[in-house]
Amino acid sequence: DVKVTQSSRYLVKRTGEKVFLECVQDMDHENMFWYRQDPGLGLRLIYFSYDVKMKEKGDIPEGYSVSREKKERFSLILESASTNQTSMYLCASSPSLSQGNTEAFFGQGTRLTVV
Amino acid sequence: RKEVEQDPGPFNVPEGATVAFNCTYSNSASQSFFWYRQDCRKEPKLLMSVYSSGNEDGRFTAQLNRASQYISLLIRDSKLSDSATYLCVVRGGGRDDKIIFGKGTRLHILP
Repeated sequence: DVKVTQSSRYLVKRTGEKVFLECVQDMDHENMFWYRQDPGLGLRLIYFSYDVKMKEKGDIPEGYSVSREKKERFSLILESASTNQTSMYLCASSPSLSQGNTEAFFGQGTRLTVV
Repeated sequence: RKEVEQDPGPFNVPEGATVAFNCTYSNSASQSFFWYRQDCRKEPKLLMSVYSSGNEDGRFTAQLNRASQYISLLIRDSKLSDSATYLCVVRGGGRDDKIIFGKGTRLHILP
């Protein structure tokens, strides 16, 4: 089974802190994604990555950065956490589209609260 | 126009009824289509892929109309355990391989 693991289920951070959310997948997938999910707004794409050291902005990249130094790991960084970044963060991975009609697999989510 | 649009619901449906969800997408170059299911406080999980020819998995039938940029999901003989949020998902299109989710449709199956 594909496994996508996020480092924390729950996290509480203070405003202004630098926050790292880690995601690891064990299926050698090329693509990895970070979303945030908020009530009434659904899942919104923050950043995604096609390959090691490659990244693309999603729909709401402001206030975030990412790092993909190894294929299996995709990190989301909140440079200076703010209260409006309190949310559920979901990481996903998938094979590349060129490999066929393949779905994304999700981690269990990290519920981040910024106080 | 939003990239992927769904009726948010909630749909309150008696057990045993048939329920249909619809979804429209804006990027005509989109390449892959899916329905995901998300239970409360859980991550989304794949329900089924959607193919141009239409496809069925037990009580679930998915249809894709590329000309109208429209995707549907039909659930027959609904069960209490079908209560969840159903997410329409579109992948690819153009030069990138984004995976875009609709906001989801909440379904409550009533006993």
